[in-house]
Amino acid sequence: AQRVTQPEKLLSVFKGAPVELKCNYSYSGSPELFWYVQYSRQRLQLLLRHISRESIKGFTADLNKGETSFHLKKPFAQEEDSAMYYCALGAYFGNEKLTFGTGTRLTIIP
Amino acid sequence: EAGVVQSPRYKIIEKKQPVAFWCNPISGHNTLYWYLQNLGQGPELLIRYENEEAVDDSQLPKDRFSAERLKGVDSTLKIQPAELGDSAVYLCASSLDGRNEQFFGPGTRLTVL
Repeated sequence: AQRVTQPEKLLSVFKGAPVELKCNYSYSGSPELFWYVQYSRQRLQLLLRHISRESIKGFTADLNKGETSFHLKKPFAQEEDSAMYYCALGAYFGNEKLTFGTGTRLTIIP
Repeated sequence: EAGVVQSPRYKIIEKKQPVAFWCNPISGHNTLYWYLQNLGQGPELLIRYENEEAVDDSQLPKDRFSAERLKGVDSTLKIQPAELGDSAVYLCASSLDGRNEQFFGPGTRLTVL
């Protein structure tokens, strides 16, 4: 069974401080991991996916298969980063469903 | 490009009434998903379509929920009769065939009184 755990429901960080949103997963196959973000009054949108190995809006995430983690990081938080962040797990070789975590609400304190 | 379109955006009904939600995916996207998002939770898949075929409806409560995608484009999700516990946000998403990147609509917020 697929499972995604985001241990923090709420996270507050001062502007300019580093940010780390935690995500752990459970999956028997080859995983594909995503971070989705939902800004206030906007729709859920893809932030980044592990196979792209990109930095989007200063965020990065590395898939650690040994620790089954996909933590989202940013070295210097900005006020516009305040949003709801969801980690999601899919199957690497398939067009299957995404399993989402419960989300972390990130608030950047000015 | 308009993105995934959903209507209505909000719906308030009394319990035991029927309700329907509509979704139009991004043009050219063959895969369509309906998700349920309860308060404080992440989206959970209800049903996935490949063109007009429902390929994963294992999480759809078939006693009261139904869905269709007759021409492989837009889709309707129906609840009949609605229960208090159905109050949630219903999300539609679409993706290109064979890819995992999904694009979400704005959702329909259902309140059952």
